[in-house]
Amino acid sequence: AIQLTQSPSSLSASVGDRVTITCRASQGISSALAWYQQKPGKAPKLLIYDASSLESGVPSRFSGSGSGTDFTLTISSLQPEDFATYYCQQFNNYPLTFGGGTKVEIK
Amino acid sequence: QVQLQESGPGLVKPSGTLSLTCAVSGGSISSSNWWSWVRQPPGKGLEWIGEIYHSGSTNYNPSLKSRVTISVDKSKNQFSLKLSSVTAADTAVYYCARGCSSGWSLEYFQHWGQGTLVTVSS
Repeated sequence: AIQLTQSPSSLSASVGDRVTITCRASQGISSALAWYQQKPGKAPKLLIYDASSLESGVPSRFSGSGSGTDFTLTISSLQPEDFATYYCQQFNNYPLTFGGGTKVEIK
Repeated sequence: QVQLQESGPGLVKPSGTLSLTCAVSGGSISSSNWWSWVRQPPGKGLEWIGEIYHSGSTNYNPSLKSRVTISVDKSKNQFSLKLSSVTAADTAVYYCARGCSSGWSLEYFQHWGQGTLVTVSS
């Protein structure tokens, strides 16, 4: 199975900060990567698919980049509602796999 | 807008079988989508369990394959999960989700159910 390693596992940031989360795949997955946001007690919410395509209705401060093995999720200006846990997911090979998550906390 | 709703027992005894159903509304389970189960142990990350197409074709996570059965009931617009020989390690929130694809790859998940907590305990 393809392993996805997210870093950092957690971070503290302030409102207005630029935040970058990375996801590294154990082998190349082309652009078959999605990013999700999950808040406590809620289902994950799709933010980005195909590595860089913004899901409809998701604020433009979220962006994704990368291909092959290295990917990033960037929040250009962190808002109060963005404090959550973020997961990457690869959909290039079975089994579909997720990264371990990055928790974004308030500084 | 597609909506998914999980249902089933919240408590299962060790060595028993976990059974959940996902009801789909606002769309047809016979659409060109795969339908998945994903689980999340308390305080931990997400794990894909498997998926089914309306034709009945399935794909399972090898880590669970020997214990998992996913089925579809087109007449009720729902699909189901059975996980046998459960242990405490199977305690998790179980989500159903609709897979989406750009056509050149497998699936990511655009629509999710709210999730249901299943606890394995005697």
